[in-house]
Amino acid sequence: DAGVTQSPTHLIKTRGQQVTLRCSPKSGHDTVSWYQQALGQGPQFIFQYYEEEERQRGNFPDRFSGHQFPNYSSELNVNALLLGDSALYLCASSLHRGYTDTQYFGPGTRLTVL
Amino acid sequence: AQSVTQLDSHVSVSEGTPVLLRCNYSSSYSPSLFWYVQHPNKGLQLLLKYTSAATLVKGINGFEAEFKKSETSFHLTKPSAHMSDAAEYFCVVSGGAGGTSYGKLTFGQGTILTVHP
Repeated sequence: DAGVTQSPTHLIKTRGQQVTLRCSPKSGHDTVSWYQQALGQGPQFIFQYYEEEERQRGNFPDRFSGHQFPNYSSELNVNALLLGDSALYLCASSLHRGYTDTQYFGPGTRLTVL
Repeated sequence: AQSVTQLDSHVSVSEGTPVLLRCNYSSSYSPSLFWYVQHPNKGLQLLLKYTSAATLVKGINGFEAEFKKSETSFHLTKPSAHMSDAAEYFCVVSGGAGGTSYGKLTFGQGTILTVHP
């Protein structure tokens, strides 16, 4: 049973560029959440997708956007990159069946903005 | 609003001695609580979760946590530390149904556990 997978593993961009990160959920899961983990910090919630719609959003600017596809995979897009966007981006998947949903995390994508 | 405070940023123990990682939470609704572990350059692994059933929750690798509503605490313990337990641990709260934080995980700042031989 494949777990949550993310691509790419590492990415280097320059300020002002745009980036797309990808996530495939665990088999049988229909909900994807994205988190940003800056160095030395706990992960911060960006947003959550279910039924191809953004259901919850954290305190992140509109430069951060996402998409969920019919096969439940998801993309995170960040426009106009800033140095402060350098972080580990984590994707988590879950099954939408109630508030006790357990989220399972992928290995993350390390984004470096120069 | 929900929040989590991990009371120690670093904890150091000797192999074979007990582990205590402290966590206090705040939530407007009946929360779910989790502990996740993150080994260097690895993703987050679920250790255990509390979802309003038994207040003493057993997890993987010998870890357990006790939910104390009166103290708003969810401390993580293990009777005997192993070298492989060295990692960063996160206490996490998820908002209950009906709340604005439903489905959103809020993480603490993390506790780095060091295990000495």
